[in-house]
Amino acid sequence: SQKIEQNSEALNIQEGKTATLTCNYTNYSPAYLQWYRQDPGRGPVFLLLIRENEKEKRKERLKVTFDTTLKQSLFHITASQPADSATYLCALITGGGNKLTFGTGTQLKVEL
Amino acid sequence: EAGVAQSPRYKIIEKRQSVAFWCNPISGHATLYWYQQILGQGPKLLIQFQNNGVVDDSQLPKDRFSAERLKGVDSTLKIQPAKLEDSAVYLCASSLDPVIGVNYGYTFGSGTRLTVV
Repeated sequence: SQKIEQNSEALNIQEGKTATLTCNYTNYSPAYLQWYRQDPGRGPVFLLLIRENEKEKRKERLKVTFDTTLKQSLFHITASQPADSATYLCALITGGGNKLTFGTGTQLKVEL
Repeated sequence: EAGVAQSPRYKIIEKRQSVAFWCNPISGHATLYWYQQILGQGPKLLIQFQNNGVVDDSQLPKDRFSAERLKGVDSTLKIQPAKLEDSAVYLCASSLDPVIGVNYGYTFGSGTRLTVV
């Protein structure tokens, strides 16, 4: 069956450290992978896109990697801040760009 | 530009009652999605529209859920009759088209939180 799994346990890290979140998928062949941030009571907000032929993408303090052999994406936040505390969702895009399927989400808490 | 508008924000109903949610996407956005997000889980796709046509409704429980987008602008999602397990946040998302959605992400509303008691 098809699955998109993210760390089910909440991730607690200290301010200033790098947070690394994992997204693993099975029985999908996504052409694209997106990462979203979701705050309590709000809808997801788009952060980054990475394509299947890209190994790595950066945007400010964010870095995403995409390994289609391992079927895994890693999402890094460097120099993390308490304001980065949120739930982070990965989403696979399949079906010619039409279908957006989300992972389970990982809650990140950055402590002072 | 204005974001994706959803209403109501919250709704509490008894099981077996019916309920409707409304979504007004960003002006000009042809692609519209409805998602169901159960507490502690990621959003699950229910239905996708391109203008007023359905692209994918394979995960919509059609015995009780229905959705329409009559003029290719705003959309309504209905549940009739509701079950306890329908308690969730219902999110609406839109983009100009699928290509823009892929490259620049989809814009989500804040959702409607449904509680079925």
